[in-house]
Amino acid sequence: GAVVSQHPSWVICKSGTSVKIECRSLDFQATTMFWYRQFPKQSLMLMATSNEGSKATYEQGVEKDKFLINHASLTLSTLTVTSAHPEDSSFYICSAVPGPLIETQYFGPGTRLLVL
Amino acid sequence: RKEVEQDPGPFNVPEGATVAFNCTYSNSASQSFFWYRQDCRKEPKLLMSVYSSGNEDGRFTAQLNRASQYISLLIRDSKLSDSATYLCVVNGGYSTLTFGKGTMLLVSP
Repeated sequence: GAVVSQHPSWVICKSGTSVKIECRSLDFQATTMFWYRQFPKQSLMLMATSNEGSKATYEQGVEKDKFLINHASLTLSTLTVTSAHPEDSSFYICSAVPGPLIETQYFGPGTRLLVL
Repeated sequence: RKEVEQDPGPFNVPEGATVAFNCTYSNSASQSFFWYRQDCRKEPKLLMSVYSSGNEDGRFTAQLNRASQYISLLIRDSKLSDSATYLCVVNGGYSTLTFGKGTMLLVSP
């Protein structure tokens, strides 16, 4: 089946540093990847839609200059949390879509970010 | 009104019990509906899609009521391994999925 990996699985960093999270589709090409964020006891909230070779589409309220997304190839998208602060601590999950049916999303295992 | 609403629970049931969850959605233009399962500190995993005619997969039955804009999930003969958070997910017609907060199920011996 379709496998999506994320790296790192968890990260602890100091306030003000930048953190890069990678999302890879291991056995399929993904023209579209999604980045979600989930706070404790909350639902997954879509942050942005990442399309290979073009700029990401950000959801309302998500700062594009703070959450930099790069989808340089059909198997890799990266999310960089710039100048992270404690309120950015969350569970970041990516998903990848292998075809035109967007509901067939395959989720990565998530990255848990803790900013001190 | 929230886009996708679920009772957060938790639903505490003994093994072997039957339990049902409901979910309501606000966007009448929604086309696709799903139930996902999320274990603690893990990513969500697709449990089943929900069709207008209803569908069944083993002990799990999902139904959709478009007129009332709600979706249900029925779990029969609950197992300990069914303990998880069940997420109601709707494709809102804007090429994105909208997730509910989830309903927590705890199955006890």
